[in-house]
Amino acid sequence: EVQLVQSGAEVKKPGESLKISCKASGYLFGNYWIGWVRQTPGEGLEWMGVIYPGDSSTMYSPPFQGQVTLSADRSVATVNLHWRALQASDTAIYYCARRVAYMGVDFWGQGTPVTVSS
Amino acid sequence: QSALTQPRSVSGSLGQSVTISCTGTIGDVGGYNYVSWNRQHPGKGPQLILFEVNKRPSGVPDRFSGSKSGNTASLTISGLQGEDEGYYYCCSYTGESTLDVFGTGTQVFVL
Repeated sequence: EVQLVQSGAEVKKPGESLKISCKASGYLFGNYWIGWVRQTPGEGLEWMGVIYPGDSSTMYSPPFQGQVTLSADRSVATVNLHWRALQASDTAIYYCARRVAYMGVDFWGQGTPVTVSS
Repeated sequence: QSALTQPRSVSGSLGQSVTISCTGTIGDVGGYNYVSWNRQHPGKGPQLILFEVNKRPSGVPDRFSGSKSGNTASLTISGLQGEDEGYYYCCSYTGESTLDVFGTGTQVFVL
Protein backbone atom coordinates (compact mmCIF):
# COMPACT_ATOMS: atom_id res chain seq x y z
CA GLU A 1 0.00 0.00 0.00
CA VAL A 2 1.38 3.36 -1.07
CA GLN A 3 1.64 5.84 1.80
CA LEU A 4 2.96 9.38 1.96
CA VAL A 5 3.47 10.53 5.56
CA GLN A 6 4.35 14.18 6.10
CA SER A 7 6.04 16.00 8.93
CA GLY A 8 3.97 18.00 11.41
CA ALA A 9 2.58 21.51 11.54
CA GLU A 10 5.01 24.43 11.70
CA VAL A 11 4.78 27.98 13.06
CA LYS A 12 7.56 30.30 11.95
CA LYS A 13 8.48 33.98 11.78
CA PRO A 14 9.11 35.89 8.53
CA GLY A 15 12.70 35.51 7.38
CA GLU A 16 13.22 32.15 9.07
CA SER A 17 14.17 29.03 7.13
CA LEU A 18 12.11 25.85 7.08
CA LYS A 19 12.29 22.31 5.76
CA ILE A 20 9.26 20.02 5.68
CA SER A 21 9.43 16.38 4.68
CA CYS A 22 7.41 13.49 3.31
CA LYS A 23 8.29 9.84 3.77
CA ALA A 24 7.11 7.48 1.05
CA SER A 25 6.49 3.77 1.38
CA GLY A 26 4.84 0.94 -0.51
CA TYR A 27 6.50 1.48 -3.90
CA LEU A 28 9.88 1.94 -5.57
CA PHE A 29 10.69 5.51 -4.49
CA GLY A 30 13.15 6.19 -7.28
CA ASN A 31 10.73 5.34 -10.09
CA TYR A 32 8.06 8.04 -9.68
CA TRP A 33 7.95 11.82 -9.77
CA ILE A 34 6.94 13.22 -6.38
CA GLY A 35 6.51 16.78 -5.19
CA TRP A 36 4.55 19.42 -3.38
CA VAL A 37 1.17 21.07 -3.90
CA ARG A 38 0.25 24.25 -2.04
CA GLN A 39 -3.30 24.90 -0.88
CA THR A 40 -4.49 28.36 0.12
CA PRO A 41 -7.99 29.82 0.44
CA GLY A 42 -7.23 32.39 -2.23
CA GLU A 43 -5.36 30.34 -4.84
CA GLY A 44 -6.68 26.83 -4.26
CA LEU A 45 -4.36 23.97 -5.23
CA GLU A 46 -1.10 24.77 -7.04
CA TRP A 47 1.80 22.56 -8.05
CA MET A 48 5.05 23.94 -6.63
CA GLY A 49 7.49 21.46 -8.07
CA VAL A 50 8.34 17.81 -8.51
CA ILE A 51 11.51 15.73 -8.28
CA TYR A 52 12.45 12.38 -9.80
CA PRO A 53 14.41 10.63 -7.05
CA GLY A 54 15.99 8.24 -9.54
CA ASP A 55 18.24 10.98 -10.92
CA SER A 56 17.22 14.05 -8.85
CA SER A 57 15.77 15.86 -11.88
CA THR A 58 13.44 18.66 -10.84
CA MET A 59 10.66 20.69 -12.42
CA TYR A 60 9.28 23.83 -10.76
CA SER A 61 6.19 25.89 -11.50
CA PRO A 62 7.22 29.45 -12.49
CA PRO A 63 5.79 31.19 -9.38
CA PHE A 64 7.89 28.96 -7.12
CA GLN A 65 11.12 28.76 -9.14
CA GLY A 66 13.89 30.23 -7.00
CA GLN A 67 11.61 30.56 -3.96
CA VAL A 68 11.82 26.96 -2.70
CA THR A 69 14.08 23.96 -3.18
CA LEU A 70 13.03 20.33 -3.52
CA SER A 71 15.36 17.52 -2.57
CA ALA A 72 15.07 13.76 -2.19
CA ASP A 73 16.96 11.20 -0.10
CA ARG A 74 16.62 7.76 -1.65
CA SER A 75 18.21 6.07 1.37
CA VAL A 76 15.18 6.95 3.49
CA ALA A 77 12.62 7.42 0.69
CA THR A 78 11.97 11.00 1.72
CA VAL A 79 11.28 14.16 -0.26
CA ASN A 80 11.89 17.57 1.28
CA LEU A 81 10.68 21.13 0.64
CA HIS A 82 12.98 23.92 1.81
CA TRP A 83 12.55 27.66 2.19
CA ARG A 84 15.58 29.93 2.93
CA ALA A 85 13.50 32.89 4.05
CA LEU A 86 9.79 32.51 4.71
CA GLN A 87 7.24 35.22 4.04
CA ALA A 88 3.78 35.66 5.50
CA SER A 89 2.38 34.75 2.09
CA ASP A 90 3.86 31.24 2.51
CA THR A 91 1.16 30.50 5.09
CA ALA A 92 -0.68 27.52 3.60
CA ILE A 93 -1.21 23.77 3.77
CA TYR A 94 1.40 21.84 1.82
CA TYR A 95 0.62 18.41 0.39
CA CYS A 96 3.12 15.84 -0.71
CA ALA A 97 1.89 14.24 -3.92
CA ARG A 98 3.04 11.45 -6.22
CA ARG A 99 2.62 12.49 -9.84
CA VAL A 100 2.10 10.04 -12.67
CA ALA A 101 2.32 11.41 -16.20
CA TYR A 102 -1.11 11.89 -17.78
CA MET A 103 -2.80 10.55 -14.63
CA GLY A 104 -2.18 13.54 -12.38
CA VAL A 105 -1.69 12.84 -8.68
CA ASP A 106 -2.44 9.25 -7.73
CA PHE A 107 -1.48 9.48 -4.06
CA TRP A 108 -1.49 12.39 -1.60
CA GLY A 109 -0.02 12.97 1.84
CA GLN A 110 -2.08 14.16 4.78
CA GLY A 111 -0.91 17.76 4.57
CA THR A 112 1.47 19.96 6.57
CA PRO A 113 0.06 23.32 7.79
CA VAL A 114 2.64 26.11 7.80
CA THR A 115 1.92 29.41 9.52
CA VAL A 116 4.27 32.36 9.05
CA SER A 117 3.56 35.26 11.37
CA SER A 118 5.49 37.83 13.32
CA GLN B 1 -1.19 28.94 -16.27
CA SER B 2 -4.60 30.03 -14.97
CA ALA B 3 -6.68 27.77 -12.76
CA LEU B 4 -9.47 25.82 -14.41
CA THR B 5 -12.95 27.20 -13.71
CA GLN B 6 -15.39 25.22 -11.60
CA PRO B 7 -18.70 26.25 -10.01
CA ARG B 8 -18.30 27.30 -6.41
CA SER B 9 -20.89 24.80 -5.15
CA VAL B 10 -23.49 22.27 -6.25
CA SER B 11 -26.09 20.43 -4.23
CA GLY B 12 -28.38 17.45 -4.59
CA SER B 13 -30.61 15.21 -2.51
CA LEU B 14 -29.65 11.75 -1.35
CA GLY B 15 -29.91 9.34 -4.26
CA GLN B 16 -29.95 12.05 -6.92
CA SER B 17 -27.19 13.00 -9.38
CA VAL B 18 -25.04 16.09 -9.61
CA THR B 19 -22.63 17.22 -12.32
CA ILE B 20 -19.61 19.46 -11.83
CA SER B 21 -18.07 21.28 -14.77
CA CYS B 22 -14.40 22.15 -15.26
CA THR B 23 -13.59 24.68 -17.97
CA GLY B 24 -10.13 25.38 -19.32
CA THR B 25 -8.51 26.16 -22.65
CA ILE B 26 -7.04 24.40 -25.65
CA GLY B 27 -3.73 24.45 -23.75
CA ASP B 28 -5.03 22.19 -21.03
CA VAL B 29 -8.48 20.52 -20.92
CA GLY B 30 -9.19 20.97 -24.61
CA GLY B 31 -5.81 19.78 -25.80
CA TYR B 32 -5.48 16.50 -23.94
CA ASN B 33 -7.64 13.65 -22.66
CA TYR B 34 -5.79 13.80 -19.37
CA VAL B 35 -8.22 15.29 -16.89
CA SER B 36 -8.37 13.93 -13.36
CA TRP B 37 -10.68 14.59 -10.43
CA ASN B 38 -9.88 14.59 -6.72
CA ARG B 39 -12.18 14.67 -3.72
CA GLN B 40 -11.19 16.32 -0.45
CA HIS B 41 -12.98 15.96 2.86
CA PRO B 42 -12.43 18.76 5.41
CA GLY B 43 -9.11 18.43 7.20
CA LYS B 44 -7.92 15.61 4.95
CA GLY B 45 -5.66 15.26 1.95
CA PRO B 46 -7.31 14.96 -1.47
CA GLN B 47 -8.03 11.56 -3.01
CA LEU B 48 -7.96 10.65 -6.71
CA ILE B 49 -11.39 9.53 -7.98
CA LEU B 50 -11.05 9.75 -11.78
CA PHE B 51 -8.16 10.00 -14.23
CA GLU B 52 -7.81 10.26 -18.01
CA VAL B 53 -11.28 11.84 -18.11
CA ASN B 54 -13.32 8.77 -17.16
CA LYS B 55 -11.16 6.04 -15.64
CA ARG B 56 -11.63 5.05 -12.01
CA PRO B 57 -8.81 3.92 -9.72
CA SER B 58 -9.31 0.67 -7.89
CA GLY B 59 -11.84 1.03 -5.08
CA VAL B 60 -13.71 4.04 -6.46
CA PRO B 61 -17.39 3.17 -7.02
CA ASP B 62 -18.94 3.38 -10.48
CA ARG B 63 -21.27 6.12 -9.21
CA PHE B 64 -18.46 8.45 -10.30
CA SER B 65 -18.17 9.08 -14.02
CA GLY B 66 -16.49 11.63 -16.25
CA SER B 67 -16.74 13.13 -19.70
CA LYS B 68 -15.22 15.89 -21.80
CA SER B 69 -16.39 18.11 -24.61
CA GLY B 70 -14.12 20.74 -26.08
CA ASN B 71 -12.50 22.76 -23.31
CA THR B 72 -14.90 21.53 -20.60
CA ALA B 73 -14.69 18.34 -18.57
CA SER B 74 -17.44 17.12 -16.27
CA LEU B 75 -17.74 14.87 -13.23
CA THR B 76 -21.10 13.23 -12.51
CA ILE B 77 -21.89 11.68 -9.16
CA SER B 78 -24.92 9.38 -9.35
CA GLY B 79 -26.87 8.04 -6.40
CA LEU B 80 -25.59 10.74 -4.03
CA GLN B 81 -24.56 9.53 -0.58
CA GLY B 82 -23.72 11.49 2.53
CA GLU B 83 -20.03 10.62 2.21
CA ASP B 84 -19.96 12.42 -1.15
CA GLU B 85 -20.07 15.79 0.61
CA GLY B 86 -16.77 17.60 0.29
CA TYR B 87 -14.68 19.53 -2.17
CA TYR B 88 -13.96 18.33 -5.70
CA TYR B 89 -11.03 19.54 -7.79
CA CYS B 90 -10.36 18.85 -11.44
CA CYS B 91 -6.82 18.76 -12.76
CA SER B 92 -5.48 18.83 -16.31
CA TYR B 93 -2.22 17.91 -18.00
CA THR B 94 -0.66 20.94 -19.71
CA GLY B 95 2.26 19.47 -21.61
CA GLU B 96 5.67 17.87 -21.07
CA SER B 97 7.52 20.91 -19.79
CA THR B 98 4.89 22.28 -17.39
CA LEU B 99 3.10 20.92 -14.37
CA ASP B 100 -0.61 20.19 -14.27
CA VAL B 101 -3.16 22.88 -13.51
CA PHE B 102 -5.93 22.44 -10.93
CA GLY B 103 -9.48 23.70 -10.92
CA THR B 104 -10.83 26.27 -8.50
CA GLY B 105 -12.75 23.62 -6.57
CA THR B 106 -16.45 22.85 -6.05
CA GLN B 107 -18.14 22.18 -2.74
CA VAL B 108 -20.77 19.45 -2.96
CA PHE B 109 -23.68 19.53 -0.52
CA VAL B 110 -25.93 16.53 0.00
CA LEU B 111 -29.37 17.64 1.14
